[in-house]
Amino acid sequence: ETGVTQTPRHLVMGMTNKKSLKCEQHLGHNAMYWYKQSAKKPLELMFVYSLEERVENNSVPSRFSPECPNSSHLFLHLHTLQPEDSALYLCASSQRGGPHTGELFFGEGSRLTVL
Amino acid sequence: KNEVEQSPQNLTAQEGEFITINCSYSVGISALHWLQQHPGGGIVSLFMLSSGKKKHGRLIATINIQEKHSSLHITASHPRDSAVYICAAQGNTGNQFYFGTGTSLTVIP
Repeated sequence: ETGVTQTPRHLVMGMTNKKSLKCEQHLGHNAMYWYKQSAKKPLELMFVYSLEERVENNSVPSRFSPECPNSSHLFLHLHTLQPEDSALYLCASSQRGGPHTGELFFGEGSRLTVL
Repeated sequence: KNEVEQSPQNLTAQEGEFITINCSYSVGISALHWLQQHPGGGIVSLFMLSSGKKKHGRLIATINIQEKHSSLHITASHPRDSAVYICAAQGNTGNQFYFGTGTSLTVIP
């Protein structure tokens, strides 16, 4: 138990569906991240919400839309995805500032399959 | 070329063996992280270090800032150590992480 919870753990969706991934952290952290993990590739940063600032990887398609309503919750809204978007999506949190700045705490991941 | 390179990509060891996984990076960093990912996906942070050496149980992590190189050592390896080990370089701005592709370790009883 890392203190970061992701739901759903598994999701199968068609290309025309709209779905959302949810992440919740119970660690009091002030930064949250979405990463994509494809087979045999490094973890790819998609979005960061940190100290009320949003940073995004410019290569992420607009069919992925993040939402961070507060410091404990993070969503990834999915819309008209492509089969190549099938991957493991990992949420992480960290504390910016202080002695443990930057240590990442990951959720279990949401395994997404796009048909 | 990836900013973080790990070797080996795959490693099989007999139980009890001493294991070393290497990580080289090409960017300026504020810290270097070692992560462990078990089958099923969940990732756990093992070490975060910016200099020298850290030890936690049978795991030891070292970093050489001048050579931009870090190693993860596992002493007296055990089948439960079987996992993917990922090296991640945290950039100077703090928000940016560069990940290696991981080393898949299998420890055979």
